[in-house]
Amino acid sequence: DAGVIQSPRHEVTEMGQEVTLRCKPISGHDYLFWYRQTMMRGLELLIYFNNNVPIDDSGMPEDRFSAKMPNASFSTLKIQPSEPRDSAVYFCASTPEGGDTQYFGPGTRLTVL
Amino acid sequence: AQSVTQLGSHVSVSEGALVLLRCNYSSSVPPYLFWYVQYPNQGLQLLLKYTSAATLVKGINGFEAEFKKSETSFHLTKPSAHMSDAAEYFCVSSGYSTLTFGKGTMLLVSP
Repeated sequence: DAGVIQSPRHEVTEMGQEVTLRCKPISGHDYLFWYRQTMMRGLELLIYFNNNVPIDDSGMPEDRFSAKMPNASFSTLKIQPSEPRDSAVYFCASTPEGGDTQYFGPGTRLTVL
Repeated sequence: AQSVTQLGSHVSVSEGALVLLRCNYSSSVPPYLFWYVQYPNQGLQLLLKYTSAATLVKGINGFEAEFKKSETSFHLTKPSAHMSDAAEYFCVSSGYSTLTFGKGTMLLVSP
């Protein structure tokens, strides 16, 4: 199994630009999670999906952030417009129904100038 | 609400010395508990997990952790540190579908 795949691994953009982060969960996993990691706040859960349906988006910082899961094998996290304070590492993780372990992707390091 | 507290943002040990990373949890019911490790510029990797079976849990790379309900602790240990153990370690509590992360402890290993 290839594990959770995220792209791009690194993204540098300018303030105001739209940023799209992508995630492919492990095949057969029903839950998908998006996290953000910063030095100041540590790891924060942004949103998670179950069977492609958003279950809890209370961690999404503001309306500039949106996430979709159009099918079981693909999810996106979009920031529009991006701001320097969005600079962080964004992780995607997945787990099967009834599973107790989340499997993390390698992360996308986002830098907003 | 669940919470996880890791004591010490940084722990320094010499190669070959005992590693002890401390974690205390707060939960109204016995939680599932995990230790994850993050190597530089990489994602999080599961070290070990406690799911209400044996209280002493063995993980990868020689690490183990003991669940102590009376102390609400889940400390991570390794008898002899190796240079390759240098990384950030997260104690994590699981409730239903979501995880609660500790702030992380950076383990520094010196020759």
